[in-house]
Parts: sequence; structure tokens; C-alpha cells
Amino acid sequence: GAVVSQHPSRVICKSGTSVKIECRSLDFQATTMFWYRQFPKQSLMLMATSNEGSKATYEQGVEKDKFLINHASLTLSTLTVTSAHPEDSSFYICSAEGWAGSEGETQYFGPGTRLLVL
Amino acid sequence: GQNIDQPTEMTATEGAIVQINCTYQTSGFNGLFWYQQHAGEAPTFLSYNVLDGLEEKGRFSSFLSRSKGYSYLLLKELQMKDSASYLCAVRDHRDTGGFKTIFGAGTRLFVKA
Repeated sequence: GAVVSQHPSRVICKSGTSVKIECRSLDFQATTMFWYRQFPKQSLMLMATSNEGSKATYEQGVEKDKFLINHASLTLSTLTVTSAHPEDSSFYICSAEGWAGSEGETQYFGPGTRLLVL
Repeated sequence: GQNIDQPTEMTATEGAIVQINCTYQTSGFNGLFWYQQHAGEAPTFLSYNVLDGLEEKGRFSSFLSRSKGYSYLLLKELQMKDSASYLCAVRDHRDTGGFKTIFGAGTRLFVKA
């Protein structure tokens, strides 16, 4: 299957700082990438849809000024959590949509970034 | 609106067969996915159904009935490593164009010896 990388895998930061997370599709071009957040024992919550070369589409309740998304190329999307606070501590997962033959357009997930804001 | 229901937890015995059900309601169905997620890890793709019927892939099979808004994931010859959460996800048309994938809350499967 397709490979998606995410960096960093884990980050601890102080309250008020900004954290940047990178998501890369390694062996395919992804016109669309998705950013999810997952709290312990809960399902994935879609935060935003990132399209290459255009503005991201944010889900209801997600602050676009707090969670900045940039999708500068067909293989890279970044999520910046600005002025992070303890309540932003979560598991952030990106996915990239790629064509997988008989599987149609399938989302392939990165390994996730665990953010802890102190 | 969109809604996906699946059981919260299931327990099964090593070597047995287990069926995880998923019901959904969408306005513009465009495919159903099953993902496996181990604790603390990202989901991994298991299966994709867009037409009615059964798709088999080794020990895993997935079934879809679009008219009933129903799918199941069948796991055969259960192994301890199959203990994980299984996420049912549906791709739906957005009102504003394009697609959006909605995830169910997941079913935590415990495989016991």
C-alpha cells in the first residue's frame, strides 16, 4: 500500500508555543490530505481537508486561525498548532488520498503525532 | 445528516470467527472502508466496498448492502494480534462538492486465548 510519513512522531511543548507537524506522501501524489485529531478511546475527528494549492476546508468548530494548514505541494501538507494550550494535547493524524486501483480512492494514514502541551 | 453505528466492544476466542457490524446513514454514499487501529497507532486500511456484496482478503472479509445501509467485517481464524479497534468509515458527498469520510467510533475487539 501507499506510504504516508508524519513528523514529528511525538512532541512536548510549553503552553503558548506553536508546533508544526508535517505530513508527506512518499510514493504517490496526493491532491487531498486530511487532518484528524483523536482523543483517548475516541474515534477520529476530522479537523480539515487540505487541497494542494488552495485553502483548507475546516470542519465546524475547528478554529482556522489556531490550526493553520498549508498544502504547498502534491506530497506535503503541514499543520501548525498556534499558541498551543494543554487542551490541544491529543493524537494528530494525517491521511493522504490516493488512487489504489480496485480499492478506489483510499485514505492512507500517517503514523500520527502525539502532542503534549504542558 | 450522517451517522455511523457500530458496537463499542466485542470479545472473541483465538481461532474463532467474529463479525463486526456497521450501520450507516448518509445522503450521498460513495464507498465504505474498514480500518484496523491498534492502541496508540494510526489506522491501517483493511477493505473498501462500493458495490453490494462480499469482498474477501485472506482472513478478512467485508460485506456491503447499500439498500440496507449495512456492512460487516468478518475476521476468521482469530489471532491474539487481531485485538484492536476496528473503524467503519463512509465516504459521503459534501453539499459544497467533493467528498468527506466519516468515521464510526470504532469497535474494540478483545481476542482471548
